[in-house]
Amino acid sequence: EVQLVESGGGLVQPGGSLRLSCTASGFTFRSYAMSWVRQAPGKGLEWVLGISGTGGNTYNADSVKGRFIISRDNSKDTLYLQMDSLRAEDTAIYYCAKDNGPTMVRGIAYFDFWGQGTPVTVSS
Amino acid sequence: DIQMTQSPSSLSASVGDRVTITCRASQSISNFLNWYQQKPGKAPKLLIYGASSLQSGVPSRFSGSGSRADFTLTINSLQPEDFATYYCQQSYSTPRTFGQGTKVEIK
Repeated sequence: EVQLVESGGGLVQPGGSLRLSCTASGFTFRSYAMSWVRQAPGKGLEWVLGISGTGGNTYNADSVKGRFIISRDNSKDTLYLQMDSLRAEDTAIYYCAKDNGPTMVRGIAYFDFWGQGTPVTVSS
Repeated sequence: DIQMTQSPSSLSASVGDRVTITCRASQSISNFLNWYQQKPGKAPKLLIYGASSLQSGVPSRFSGSGSRADFTLTINSLQPEDFATYYCQQSYSTPRTFGQGTKVEIK
């Protein structure tokens, strides 16, 4: 059974940092691209970052460029999100999501499994 | 970035109704379009991928159609468990943008 479990969320002050983790099980982690998708309170879904199965390619939304970094440790089956220079508008539930293939190139690609999400609140 | 626009933003329907939600991309995205269902407090769930392929385990009352820039999600004979918010999402390019969502409520 595929499982994705996020952790590391919490309350942080504006300008602060936080590191989220997503521990995967039930599939060959290194064979699949992964993404972080967030959802602000009462709002829709926003894809923010993605990473290929090898970790060699990363992709990001403009809203987090230069502030957030996605990485993975395939030896630990774990995905990470390093968030720096946090702003109030980064307040959201952060989900990790598994892609159906190893890369994020153009094609029939979709998120077939999602974690339960971890909440991040940026406030003073 | 490719913009995804869903309509309507919300709708009210009764059990047994047929519901149609549309999604329009700001450019042609071939058939690289997915649909997700999200219930309150839960993670999204994949319903349809590649515009028209039903994800394993999803009831056959859900169907998707369309290509290039215009897509449709149809729910035949709406069931009580289908009241939720639905999102389209493109996989033609990164950022993998989502539509703003369509909330399906009970009439």
